Amino acid sequence: DTGVSQDPRHKITKRGQNVTFRCDPISEHNRLYWYRQTLGQGPEFLTYFQNEAQLEKSRLLSDRFSAERPKGSFSTLEIQRTEQGDSAMYLCASSPSTSLGETQYFGPGTRLLVL
Amino acid sequence: AQKVTQAQTEISVVEKEDVTLDCVYETRDTTYYLFWYKQPPSGELVFLIRRNSFDEQNEISGRYSWNFQKSTSSFNFTITASQVVDSAVYFCALSEATAGGSYIPTFGRGTSLIVHP
Repeated sequence: DTGVSQDPRHKITKRGQNVTFRCDPISEHNRLYWYRQTLGQGPEFLTYFQNEAQLEKSRLLSDRFSAERPKGSFSTLEIQRTEQGDSAMYLCASSPSTSLGETQYFGPGTRLLVL
Repeated sequence: AQKVTQAQTEISVVEKEDVTLDCVYETRDTTYYLFWYKQPPSGELVFLIRRNSFDEQNEISGRYSWNFQKSTSSFNFTITASQVVDSAVYFCALSEATAGGSYIPTFGRGTSLIVHP
């Protein structure tokens, strides 16, 4: 399977704990995006990498959130001191950088439940 | 104001009916991109189509067709002869340049399509 993969697919945690999610993009894609999706809403942009450089961050990305893409390949999204409001689906997407507005291909998502 | 409006929250049809999902967008840019994605119950967003703002030609792909009209800022999606497997949430998205020069899509709230056998 050469699509975008995410791990874990589901995560249940207690409020106050830290969680980390991983995303592996399509191998030839150098752009990587993180989104959050809550029930009944479309995906909301969190942050974006071009290779290892984090180029854009949304206001939704509070200080408790941090994302990395150390070698320009896989990426991690960490949430510290989780809150119940963090419960959502976290989606990763990747795209090539051949032109502007390229199509993003999404992974299956990580569903987070904070108790 | 919503940049992408999908006014239909849920549509219910019987198999073989045609159905149109509406999408209205708002932008001041002359260069932008429009997308449709399908999200089945499994949760993974599946890419359906991408259009740039300079290409208003309508497109047909099997039972799917798209009508892009800049004059009304709409990018509507029609499924002909719907099937139960078409049941999903469909998202329209607009990608325009951010202040930093990146193109980041803004998604609508989605339209849930239920196709009954």
